[in-house]
Amino acid sequence: SQQGEEDPQALSIQEGENATMNCSYKTSINNLQWYRQNSGRGLVHLILIRSNEREKHSGRLRVTLDTSKKSSSLLITASRAADTASYFCATDRPSGAGSYQLTFGKGTKLSVIP
Amino acid sequence: NAGVTQTPKFRVLKTGQSMTLLCAQDMNHEYMYWYRQDPGMGLRLIHYSVGEGTTAKGEVPDGYNVSRLKKQNFLLGLESAAPSQTSVYFCASSYVRGRPQHFGDGTRLSIL
Repeated sequence: SQQGEEDPQALSIQEGENATMNCSYKTSINNLQWYRQNSGRGLVHLILIRSNEREKHSGRLRVTLDTSKKSSSLLITASRAADTASYFCATDRPSGAGSYQLTFGKGTKLSVIP
Repeated sequence: NAGVTQTPKFRVLKTGQSMTLLCAQDMNHEYMYWYRQDPGMGLRLIHYSVGEGTTAKGEVPDGYNVSRLKKQNFLLGLESAAPSQTSVYFCASSYVRGRPQHFGDGTRLSIL
């Protein structure tokens, strides 16, 4: 079953613009992670935010987490053509059923037009 | 530094044939995972392992078997391939549960 759901499914922007992707989830979490997948490649971890954190930065990436709304957002600032990829959120749930796995959403496909 | 290596990268099978996908990691990670990725479905966990000699079922285990005889290797087997198993298969590893996972570049499997 899907825990995280990204929104929008697809996003097309001009180079230099900011890109925002959202993720909603259903149950309590230990942490939430964002991954990038370039076409034909495996997923690459971008950033992890713990349930007690509200915001985290890494280079041009900014992630927020709102546990009361069970949602997270990934902001990519000053986008580049090389940012073109699919982006996935994944949730790590507390112990119990499914606790040994990350549960991935279906992803947002980002296209950055030069 | 290879990370996670999957072999083969591509394979075409006929219905009913068997095959084994190999995953190797050189990061001394305890946890290893097999996922399948289908259009519109995201990543779904097939089986995982929390250490050498252990395996457990994930979300979609039917039709697959796994083995973890050595810490660095995690094998995924299809005993009797079916067209519904046409997919891209990804292996991943992590140091402990809940930590970032490192992925291989996938095996693209077509079953005719």
